[in-house]
Amino acid sequence: GQQVMQIPQYQHVQEGEDFTTYCNSSTTLSNIQWYKQRPGGHPVFLIQLVKSGEVKKQKRLTFQFGEAKKNSSLHITATQTTDVGTYFCAGPISGGYNKLIFGAGTRLAVHP
Amino acid sequence: SAVISQKPSRDICQRGTSLTIQCQVDSQVTMMFWYRQQPGQSLTLIATANQGSEATYESGFVIDKFPISRPNLTFSTLTVSNMSPEDSSIYLCSVVGNVRQFFGPGTRLTVL
Repeated sequence: GQQVMQIPQYQHVQEGEDFTTYCNSSTTLSNIQWYKQRPGGHPVFLIQLVKSGEVKKQKRLTFQFGEAKKNSSLHITATQTTDVGTYFCAGPISGGYNKLIFGAGTRLAVHP
Repeated sequence: SAVISQKPSRDICQRGTSLTIQCQVDSQVTMMFWYRQQPGQSLTLIATANQGSEATYESGFVIDKFPISRPNLTFSTLTVSNMSPEDSSIYLCSVVGNVRQFFGPGTRLTVL
């Protein structure tokens, strides 16, 4: 069945270091979305990528969508303690309107 | 954006009992989604609730275990029936707005 894989599962960094999480789909995606879930909170939408090879930036966050539209990455430059949380990628379920399949998530811990 | 509330926010239940979770949205929406997030895990779509028709369940989830109601365009309920400790999870409802999914705060369920 359709799968969305995400690595690493955990990442511990010192404040100021960079962080990257990678997402890989078993199928070509029409788009990919990224969500952030703070500890004890619910997932919050960060961004959607639609075009092959697309790169979008939000301040210190850089999102990429692969040329084949099967992989994506989120890179955070100079992490801060406010970046702590779990980052999920999500793609549309094949044949499902607005339904999402989520990656396993990468839990980021930032040490001051 | 959409503002979503859920009740209860958390509950501790005995095995064999049932719990109904309510989801209220501040605007009318066609589809509402129910997700499960097991401890430390990713989100898994349980079903899609459409107003005026039966819910559509994903593989591995059945109506007898997770009956859903959708009486109007702003409200839905999910019942977790005949609970076992394996049902201990966070249950989240969500809606789609302007591409993104908005999630409710979740219901944290512990089954003893």
